[in-house]
Amino acid sequence: IAGITQAPTSQILAAGRRMTLRCTQDMRHNAMYWYRQDLGLGLRLIHYSNTAGTTGKGEVPDGYSVSRANTDDFPLTLASAVPSQTSVYFCASSGLAGGEQFFGPGTRLTVL
Amino acid sequence: RKEVEQDPGPFNVPEGATVAFNCTYSNSASQSFFWYRQDCRKEPKLLMSVYSSGNEDGRFTAQLNRASQYISLLIRDSKLSDSATYLCVVHGGGFKTIFGAGTRLFVKA
Repeated sequence: IAGITQAPTSQILAAGRRMTLRCTQDMRHNAMYWYRQDLGLGLRLIHYSNTAGTTGKGEVPDGYSVSRANTDDFPLTLASAVPSQTSVYFCASSGLAGGEQFFGPGTRLTVL
Repeated sequence: RKEVEQDPGPFNVPEGATVAFNCTYSNSASQSFFWYRQDCRKEPKLLMSVYSSGNEDGRFTAQLNRASQYISLLIRDSKLSDSATYLCVVHGGGFKTIFGAGTRLFVKA
């Protein structure tokens, strides 16, 4: 692995289903982030983590949960997907809060 | 008012042209500033940080004006490969990093 990977690349999901988006980084960054990107709105922070074992809520956390069991992995879970969660989801990491963020390739999620 | 505002464009310029984008921010306590580039359907990547004294990297120059609360990006001698969306990013402390919605640039031959 070099950098950040995300899986799946894309997914079509029925409303009401549970879905976990995976994110793994190998840069040993303490800080990790989940964003969603919607047309005309830019990236909006869903949740973040400043170190393993701690997480925080971003601008649009409702309907999403995260965990940070170790430094490398930061999965995002939609407990019961709704159509408004159709979006492109980016995971990112940084060595320091407020520093350069490195992004994964994104997951395109469609909820029908 | 959005915390970070950018002109969405698109800016259509010929190769070799000079083009400039501005971005305004509302939080006067913002601490750090960046320009990211995002190609179509790809992830954002850091283009350059923006320092108080301004900074230049080849054909790209970034400026910060704290008094008027805006940052700018100047691209000289535009190349076809500069076609992308440019995201203004403002960090307000802690984990409060705000991304602008982006300015689209098309450079044509």
